[in-house]
Amino acid sequence: GAGVSQSPSNKVTEKGKDVELRCDPISGHTALYWYRQSLGQGLEFLIYFQGNSAPDKSGLPSDRFSAERTGGSVSTLTIQRTQQEDSAVYLCASSSLDRGRIYSNQPQHFGDGTRLSIL
Amino acid sequence: GQQLNQSPQSMFIQEGEDVSMNCTSSSIFNTWLWYKQDPGEGPVLLIALYKAGELTSNGRLTAQFGITRKDSFLNISASIPSDVGIYFCAGQGGTSYGKLTFGQGTILTVHP
Repeated sequence: GAGVSQSPSNKVTEKGKDVELRCDPISGHTALYWYRQSLGQGLEFLIYFQGNSAPDKSGLPSDRFSAERTGGSVSTLTIQRTQQEDSAVYLCASSSLDRGRIYSNQPQHFGDGTRLSIL
Repeated sequence: GQQLNQSPQSMFIQEGEDVSMNCTSSSIFNTWLWYKQDPGEGPVLLIALYKAGELTSNGRLTAQFGITRKDSFLNISASIPSDVGIYFCAGQGGTSYGKLTFGQGTILTVHP
């Protein structure tokens, strides 16, 4: 498709289980981002990929959270031993690299997110 | 860390009225963006601003990048019911390239 695709759209799981969330960025976009949005809140940055490397993972809240990207395309966000406070919408965005601007990429385009509920 | 203060938190207006919302930051940004989010969907980009002092329009939307690089506003003229949603400002750049720092959002309700 033309936009950022995320799966699953909804995930309900029990506390303590591991979950994997998937993001397919827009074709050709080298930059990929994960954000988390709690109910009624703004988006909170988690991790940024440029290609397959993650130069900024400062937003990952704990070592239970990890992410990888392979082939410069699909990314997976993994949450181990889920806790109730992990319940949120997890959003993925992608953008192309703007070589004309230092410390900036082209605007980020978002998927519709995965709504994660931990029971 | 960097924080964005977005105001107002919510607005209730009549169809046809103009709307204004703004964001201020404790730190400078190289890029300001405004997004709209509808329920169950991801944020959709409305306007991107790249230069201090820049004023950009997109239809009924107008946004400005503050001259100090620490603030931005978004105006919506002649509001219509489909303008309903949550509007977010976001800043990019400075010391941490790539990531966006978001405001808390402005919930807009438009009464027909």
